Amino acid sequence: RKEVEQDPGPFNVPEGASVAFNCTYSNSASQSFFWYRQDCRKEPKLLMSVYSSGNEDGRFTAQLNRASQYISLLIRDSKLSDSATYLCVVNKDGNNRKLIWGLGTSLAVNP
Amino acid sequence: DAGITQSPRHKVTETGTPVTLRCHQTENHRYMYWYRQDPGHGLRLIHYSYGVKDTDKGEVSDGYSVSRSKTEDFLLTLESATSSQTSVYFCAISGQNSPLHFGNGTRLTVT
Repeated sequence: RKEVEQDPGPFNVPEGASVAFNCTYSNSASQSFFWYRQDCRKEPKLLMSVYSSGNEDGRFTAQLNRASQYISLLIRDSKLSDSATYLCVVNKDGNNRKLIWGLGTSLAVNP
Repeated sequence: DAGITQSPRHKVTETGTPVTLRCHQTENHRYMYWYRQDPGHGLRLIHYSYGVKDTDKGEVSDGYSVSRSKTEDFLLTLESATSSQTSVYFCAISGQNSPLHFGNGTRLTVT
C-alpha cells in the first residue's frame, strides 16, 4: 500500500459545481497535512494546510479524519482557474525531510 | 510569492557530463531542498540543507551531490549525468516546520 494515495482522476466538472477529493495515508502517526496545487508544467504551490478541526479558505475547505486516516479537499463554486492537479502531502513526523507526496488528482473545470 | 529562483530553466546535456543546477533564495530561510518529479512518482527528495555547509541525503540521493556555501544558494550537481536523471527538478525553501515554497523548476534532459 502506498503511503499516500489519491484518486488520479481526472475529475471533469462544470463551472460552478462543487467537487471533493480525498487522500488516504497509511502512517497513523503522521503529524501534519497539506494540499498543494500544481498547474501544468509549473511548480507546486501551497493551497492550504489541514488542521485537525478542519479549516476553510474562501471556496476551499479542508478536513482531516484521523480515525480513518484521510484528508479531504472540497472546492465550492468551481472556477475555470481551479483546473489543476491537487497534491496531497503528509508529514510523517513533523520534519519536512519526511514529507510524503501523493501523485495528485487532476481537475478540469469546464465552461 | 517566495523569493526563490532556479537556473537554468531548461537544460539538455549528454550522458556522462557533469551538470550543476542552482537555487537562489532571498527569504533568508534556513532550510532548502532539492526534489525531482517524474511521472508515476510523487515528488521525491534528493538532498536537503539545514544551514550553511549543513546538508543531508534524501530518498533518492545516489548520483547527486549538493553544496551550500551561502544561506541564499543551494547547488545540485549531477556528477555524471545518466538518462535516468532526466526529470524536472524543483528547489524548495522553508522555515522550521513551515510549509515548503518551490522554485519554478528546471527541466533537465539527458541524452
